[in-house]
Amino acid sequence: KAGVTQTPRYLIKTRGQQVTLSCSPISGHRSVSWYQQTPGQGLQFLFEYFSETQRNKGNFPGRFSGRQFSNSRSEMNVSTLELGDSALYLCASTPLGGQGAAGDQETQYFGPGTRLLVL
Amino acid sequence: AQSVAQPEDQVNVAEGNPLTVKCTYSVSGNPYLFWYVQYPNRGLQFLLKYITGDNLVKGSYGFEAEFNKSQTSFHLKKPSALVSDSALYFCAVRDISAGTYKYIFGTGTRLKVLA
Repeated sequence: KAGVTQTPRYLIKTRGQQVTLSCSPISGHRSVSWYQQTPGQGLQFLFEYFSETQRNKGNFPGRFSGRQFSNSRSEMNVSTLELGDSALYLCASTPLGGQGAAGDQETQYFGPGTRLLVL
Repeated sequence: AQSVAQPEDQVNVAEGNPLTVKCTYSVSGNPYLFWYVQYPNRGLQFLLKYITGDNLVKGSYGFEAEFNKSQTSFHLKKPSALVSDSALYFCAVRDISAGTYKYIFGTGTRLKVLA
């Protein structure tokens, strides 16, 4: 079974631009979460989507948004990029009611990440 | 408030020696606990989890962790460290009783295994 995939893997943007990152979860997984990872702040939760609905949200400004499609694929968008948005953006999928053994329902499986550099 | 603490930024251990990476948590209900490992320029890889049952959990690559409810700890251990174990380790918790679906991650501990 294929793992979580994220595209693109690397991205360079300039301040003020916007960016869209994509995440395809493991087949059968219904929940997708996004995280921002930086050396100074560690791993910060952005939001989680389940069945096309945002179920939880972290403490990020409104410039950060996301959505989930009916096939569970998810996108996140960052508008008006700032230098501080440079980070590794990680996507994770979880079965949660989809396929998978009962014990796996709570386990997050991560993609390789998209490294965003804002100049 | 829910939280996870990894008190050590870095742990150094000699190859062949046992290793421990510490994690303590604070949640209002029963926790689901996880350990992940991250190699350079990669995403996080799942190592092991505690959901319920035996307090000693065995995971991938010879790692294990012990859930201690009274000490609210979930330390990661391995009897004999390998140089290839050198990586960044994250502890995470999910509070299943509060109606939240957030996973809270610790700040990470860098493990260096010295040859």
